[in-house]
Amino acid sequence: QKEVEQNSGPLSVPEGAIASLNCTYSDRGSQSFFWYRQYSGKSPELIMSIYSNGDKEDGRFTAQLNKASQYVSLLIRDSQPSDSATYLCAVNMIKPGGTSYGKLTFGQGTILTVHP
Amino acid sequence: DAGVIQSPRHEVTEMGQEVTLRCKPISGHDYLFWYRQTMMRGLELLIYFNNNVPIDDSGMPEDRFSAKMPNASFSTLKIQPSEPRDSAVYFCATHLKLNYGYTFGSGTRLTVV
Repeated sequence: QKEVEQNSGPLSVPEGAIASLNCTYSDRGSQSFFWYRQYSGKSPELIMSIYSNGDKEDGRFTAQLNKASQYVSLLIRDSQPSDSATYLCAVNMIKPGGTSYGKLTFGQGTILTVHP
Repeated sequence: DAGVIQSPRHEVTEMGQEVTLRCKPISGHDYLFWYRQTMMRGLELLIYFNNNVPIDDSGMPEDRFSAKMPNASFSTLKIQPSEPRDSAVYFCATHLKLNYGYTFGSGTRLTVV
């Protein structure tokens, strides 16, 4: 089992629809969770972070975290063609002693295409 | 702040040549990471430093790869000798506090012919 897995995609949605991106992680002790957006030929850009169970909203983006199910998702409402990119889920995993490794573990990414 | 600065942006070299990639972290960020990204393998962590000290280099593919961080303002990733399979985009990323996430540099696109 991979440490961080994302729905394989590619995901294609029409403009104005809700895009749902999913991520599961293996380490139950993981503490913080991030979504990065990467446009083709560009570097990853942090768009959302979430630390507690529940929802966190920022504009058209909502991150959802369920630690019991080891699941984090990103919803993009009113999707726009400019949202077309690869979305990377990243997790701050914890050592057995309870301290952080100091690094993020990334999923393989989901390619999202929003078509007009 | 100028962000994480990587150079060069593009590098084309012949097989067997030495390649040096450079990274200047954001001032005050005490963690620095080197990643490699390909379509096949995604984003792979090669090595990371904390306060200029290498913490984990288990992702470095083989002895041809080496990385240094001589001071808090500069890091290099060297490939000697380079091979076509090293062709990828190499990213440098830094953070001050992991709960804030990483900031990535613009990357170096390496092509080995």
